[in-house]
Amino acid sequence: DIQMTQSPSSLSASVGDRVTITCRANQSISKFLNWYQQKPGGAPNLLIYGTSTLQTGVPSRFHGSGSGTDFTLAISSLQPEDVATYYCQNSYSTLYTFGQGTKVEI
Amino acid sequence: QVQLQESGPGLVKPSETLSLTCTVSGASISTYDWSWIRLSPGKGLQWIGHMFSNGLTNYNPSLKSRAIISVDTSKNQFSLKLSSVTAADTAVYYCARDMSSGWNNWFDPWGQGALVTVSS
Repeated sequence: DIQMTQSPSSLSASVGDRVTITCRANQSISKFLNWYQQKPGGAPNLLIYGTSTLQTGVPSRFHGSGSGTDFTLAISSLQPEDVATYYCQNSYSTLYTFGQGTKVEI
Repeated sequence: QVQLQESGPGLVKPSETLSLTCTVSGASISTYDWSWIRLSPGKGLQWIGHMFSNGLTNYNPSLKSRAIISVDTSKNQFSLKLSSVTAADTAVYYCARDMSSGWNNWFDPWGQGALVTVSS
């Protein structure tokens, strides 16, 4: 299996801060990396697919980058509605795997 | 707008079979591929398996052949059966639509989730 490791596991930041979440794969997955946002009490929602393409309706303060084994999700200016757990997902192999999640708090 | 809704018992006894159904609205189930995914405190998000639009299925090998996904096109539903459950199968179970571009595959949208507890 391709193992996905996210860091940090949780973070606390202030409104307006730039926040960065890292996702690392234990082997190269090219750009087959997607990000999800799960707000408290809700289901995961697609945020970014193909490393850097924002899903329709996602604010432009979200930015995805990376390739190979190292990927980043950045929020340029943290807003109260961004409080959530964020997950990365690999689709390089047909056995899809997820990172363990990063909980973002304000 | 595509919407998914999970349904099924919230409590299953150890060694029995967990059964969940996902009802799809806003899209024909025959047009897309569909997945089951679960979220548990111990394992985080785990992809269980999916059914392709042609009826073929693919599963996570870690479930050791306990999972079966089937479809009822007349009801626009697909289902999950997970046999021989243990406490480790306690989780929130989500159904989701598979989407793809080239070789990249992602899940969108997801159902709201169904909590299943395995306990006697």
